Amino acid sequence: SYVLSQPPSLSVAPGQSARISCGGNNIGSKRVHWYQQRPGQAPVLVVYDNFDRPSGIPERFSGSNSDNTATLIITRVEAGDEADYYCQVWDSSYDHRAYVFGSGTKVSVL
Amino acid sequence: QLQLQESGPGLVKPSETLSLTCAVSGDSIITRDFYWAWIRQPPGERLEWIASVYYTGVTYYNPSLSSRVTMSVETSKNQFSLRLSPVTAADTATYYCARVPVVNEGYFDYWGQGTLVTVSS
Repeated sequence: SYVLSQPPSLSVAPGQSARISCGGNNIGSKRVHWYQQRPGQAPVLVVYDNFDRPSGIPERFSGSNSDNTATLIITRVEAGDEADYYCQVWDSSYDHRAYVFGSGTKVSVL
Repeated sequence: QLQLQESGPGLVKPSETLSLTCAVSGDSIITRDFYWAWIRQPPGERLEWIASVYYTGVTYYNPSLSSRVTMSVETSKNQFSLRLSPVTAADTATYYCARVPVVNEGYFDYWGQGTLVTVSS
């Protein structure tokens, strides 16, 4: 089955940018989606189809995807951005067709 | 505004059946544009997709769970359900229901608040 790898944690100062990576074999050929999960809350979709934003999500959230790494970029980080972030793809493998999530990255705002 | 609300027992005994329901409000579950899904998250772990259903009753299961999972839709009640049997302690998790747009390589655009299910005797 398809495996998505994320760094466990990332610390960023307010006002700076956070770049959260999501690694996978030839992930650049897939559509990658990103979720924000604040403590004790349900996940919220923040980026879909690599770089599109749902309505209501600030322009500070963007994404990119190429080769073996997809990236969620949060500019002008705020205290409210402190959360776990998960990437997700559709695994179209013949023997394991399933939605797959990354291991998650905990973003701490200093 | 679309809302999804999970309900079901918070405690299930090992080897028994976990049953959950997701009530959909703010929109009809009978739509060609969306699937409906269950996702779970064990404490401190990553999210795991369990299953999806279309309003017609067509289901899609995670191969790693398919032997134990049944998902169904009740259009008259605007809700859908999950059954997982038999359960073990490894099935302890927060269970979320969600909506999935009918697109290639899809995603989950609306989520319920989640319900914690503990498997313990």
